[in-house]
Amino acid sequence: GAVVSQHPSWVICKSGTSVKIECRSLDFQATTMFWYRQFPKQSLMLMATSNEGSKATYEQGVEKDKFLINHASLTLSTLTVTSAHPEDSSFYICSAPYDEIDTYNEQFFGPGTRLTVL
Amino acid sequence: QKEVEQDPGPLSVPEGAIVSLNCTYSNSAFQYFMWYRQYSRKGPELLMYTYSSGNKEDGRFTAQVDKSSKYISLFIRDSQPSDSATYLCAMGRVSGTYKYIFGTGTRLKVLA
Repeated sequence: GAVVSQHPSWVICKSGTSVKIECRSLDFQATTMFWYRQFPKQSLMLMATSNEGSKATYEQGVEKDKFLINHASLTLSTLTVTSAHPEDSSFYICSAPYDEIDTYNEQFFGPGTRLTVL
Repeated sequence: QKEVEQDPGPLSVPEGAIVSLNCTYSNSAFQYFMWYRQYSRKGPELLMYTYSSGNKEDGRFTAQVDKSSKYISLFIRDSQPSDSATYLCAMGRVSGTYKYIFGTGTRLKVLA
């Protein structure tokens, strides 16, 4: 299947700093990517839809200015957590649908990035 | 009411048991139904997907969708300790969007 990578896999930062997380589709092009957040023992919550060449679409309750998304190319989307605080500590996962005409568009997930804000 | 309801567990079963995992949903617009397996601190991996109502079998796994009841199930036969993970159901609509709605996930532990 298609491969989606994330970098870094794990990051610790001080409160007030910004952290950038990269999501790459390694062997296919993705015009759309999704960013999820997952708290311990909870489900994946969609934060935003990243669209190549246009603005991201944020889910209700997600602060656009805090979670900056840039989808600069067909294989790369970045999520920047600005002025991070301890409550932003979570597991961030991206996914990308693999487009196939007339077939099910499976989403491939990255391995996730664990963010810990001290 | 949540769009997707899933019992978080944990569910502990002995090795070799048949496991039944379930989700209910409220939005009749969902047409794709997926089951993902997620190991601790890893991204989800797709196990099964079905389109609309019916059954689908893949090895020890069977996915079942009953749209009339808005109920989906995943059965695992001859469960193994390696099946211990969190199982998430997910649902999507066909209409130019790939947006999925996930259940909370059920933590499964298969005891050797």
